[in-house]
Amino acid sequence: SQTIHQWPATLVQPVGSPLSLECTVEGTSNPNLYWYRQAAGRGLQLLFYSVGIGQISSEVPQNLSASRPQDRQFILSSKKLLLSDSGFYLCAWAGASGGAAYNEQFFGPGTRLTVL
Amino acid sequence: EDKVVQSPLSLVVHEGDTVTLNCSYEVTNFRSLLWYKQEKKAPTFLFMLTSSGIEKKSGRLSSILDKKELFSILNITATQTGDSAVYLCAVGGTASKLTFGTGTRLQVTL
Repeated sequence: SQTIHQWPATLVQPVGSPLSLECTVEGTSNPNLYWYRQAAGRGLQLLFYSVGIGQISSEVPQNLSASRPQDRQFILSSKKLLLSDSGFYLCAWAGASGGAAYNEQFFGPGTRLTVL
Repeated sequence: EDKVVQSPLSLVVHEGDTVTLNCSYEVTNFRSLLWYKQEKKAPTFLFMLTSSGIEKKSGRLSSILDKKELFSILNITATQTGDSAVYLCAVGGTASKLTFGTGTRLQVTL
């Protein structure tokens, strides 16, 4: 069966500090991978998605970046955090066949980031 | 731009009540509509609907899609306190992405 891991679970960082959040998936190959952010009381905002190693699509211009160095690893980074980067960050995966993703996405446990 | 609107934003019901949550959407090249339940952490997948008029059912939860009127409903019968959560609706269109609504917060009281 497939599992998805995210770490850390919680993080408190000062404004201007760097960020690195990691997501890994087990039990599947060539998944589509996604990073979302959820602000308090808000819906899920898609930040980045990836259909393969080194392929990143950005949805929202901001001071965050994403990388996919391995098939089942997805990393969210920032060089300098802003107060507005606080939120709940979720990684998700979806199966893919023939280049098209199945729509069911499955979420990791999330990272709660507080920027002070 | 794809758009998903859920209603109501929140509701409070008593245990045993039946609730109906609504989701309307506008999406280019519709492929599917999905429902998720989010308690304190990550959303968990409930249903995916692709065809109009075919009800999906899991225990006390059921959902149906109307592709002509561009909406879906999620029904929960005989609600329990464990049903308290935010219910998210999402639509899948082009480019392997989902667009989420802001959710309906359901609180079930004793």
